[in-house]
Amino acid sequence: GAGVSQSPRYKVTKRGQDVALRCDPISGHVSLYWYRQALGQGPEFLTYFNYEAQQDKSGLPNDRFSAERPEGSISTLTIQRTEQRDSAMYRCASSPPKIAGANVLTFGAGSRLTVL
Amino acid sequence: RKEVEQDPGPFNVPEGATVAFNCTYSNSASQSFFWYRQDCRKEPKLLMSVYSSGNEDGRFTAQLNRASQYISLLIRDSKLSDSATYLCVVNTASGGSYIPTFGRGTSLIVHP
Repeated sequence: GAGVSQSPRYKVTKRGQDVALRCDPISGHVSLYWYRQALGQGPEFLTYFNYEAQQDKSGLPNDRFSAERPEGSISTLTIQRTEQRDSAMYRCASSPPKIAGANVLTFGAGSRLTVL
Repeated sequence: RKEVEQDPGPFNVPEGATVAFNCTYSNSASQSFFWYRQDCRKEPKLLMSVYSSGNEDGRFTAQLNRASQYISLLIRDSKLSDSATYLCVVNTASGGSYIPTFGRGTSLIVHP
């Protein structure tokens, strides 16, 4: 697509429910990143993929969080047994093959998660 | 200590002013440095890359000081439309790869 598409844009759920957030990156972008952003803070790294391989998941807060990108395109971030502290904006970004080691990110509009 | 640190501001300046932001990073092995701009309720967007020799894009100048591990952004002749949050981004080494790591952002408000 023309840009990075995320869905849903807004998700309100009750504590204990599972949620799945979807990211459709720019066509041809090799790398896909997930970040979480709290109000007044910068994006906080969660995990990233090159093609379908999860390269780094060191930023996932705990084992309730998981992500996949099975065909190297669309990715899903899943949060199980949601807690109120999971409420945040979840942002996906994609980047083309690195140029001189630099990866320039294009972000989607984000998914705002509210856990009641 | 955070890997990328920025003064959150806000920096409140009149139109036409020159304003500078600094950002420091803790990992000396970091490579690739960027400034992103984030408007209120929007996603971050790349403003400019930062090169070792320094680089300029119109009214914006970015500098990198590897010895002191800081990056700067200078905005000349500020416009009302420059009001936004400016995010410093450093590619930080992590287990064999480099992760774009964001600072918390510096808020700029340009007033008439």
